[in-house]
Amino acid sequence: DGGITQSPKYLFRKEGQNVTLSCEQNLNHDAMYWYRQDPGQGLRLIYYSQIVNDFQKGDIAEGYSVSREKKESFPLTVTSAQKNPTAFYLCASSISPGQEQFFGPGTRLTVL
Amino acid sequence: DQQVKQNSPSLSVQEGRISILNCDYTNSMFDYFLWYKKYPAEGPTFLISISSIKDKNEDGRFTVFLNKSAKHLSLHIVPSQPGDSAVYFCAASGIGSSNTGKLIFGQGTTLQVKP
Repeated sequence: DGGITQSPKYLFRKEGQNVTLSCEQNLNHDAMYWYRQDPGQGLRLIYYSQIVNDFQKGDIAEGYSVSREKKESFPLTVTSAQKNPTAFYLCASSISPGQEQFFGPGTRLTVL
Repeated sequence: DQQVKQNSPSLSVQEGRISILNCDYTNSMFDYFLWYKKYPAEGPTFLISISSIKDKNEDGRFTVFLNKSAKHLSLHIVPSQPGDSAVYFCAASGIGSSNTGKLIFGQGTTLQVKP
């Protein structure tokens, strides 16, 4: 049963705390991506990784960090430097850069 | 600078009729376009794509049309069904970004299909 999993589905944190969102895929995809979605807006790219041990900043990387130590995992850390962290976060993967991206179910982060 | 625009935030159609969702882009370097469908609190699911070498691609009830001169693409759903009610995003990638796989998304159009 291949796919992308994100956990947890809902996450609450206090302001000033770092939080790490999980993203795992068993599709053997090389490329992975993190997006955030805000109400009334499209998906905005935070970070992406074309291959293990490599990643690049997307359009809104400030206040976020990632790692890609394993092909199947691409965790996203929302740091206290992110000014408006409450959002719906989506992880995606593709077999290679430029191919269709497949999305996980998302994590809704609420910072109180 | 919004490179991919979906100017209609919402669309309502009757079941059985055609739904037409529109998308405009500004970057002439885009050469690959996709449509995704998204239900609330879920991740988007890929629907259909089109390469810039084509002007039409069809998959069942879904057809995407590309007008490169107008920098415009549209998604046609015929016949529309209540289960099609969702948010639809168009996305584009281009020659410069194709090596990274970066997709640029529009803001989305909420489609409501009434029974």
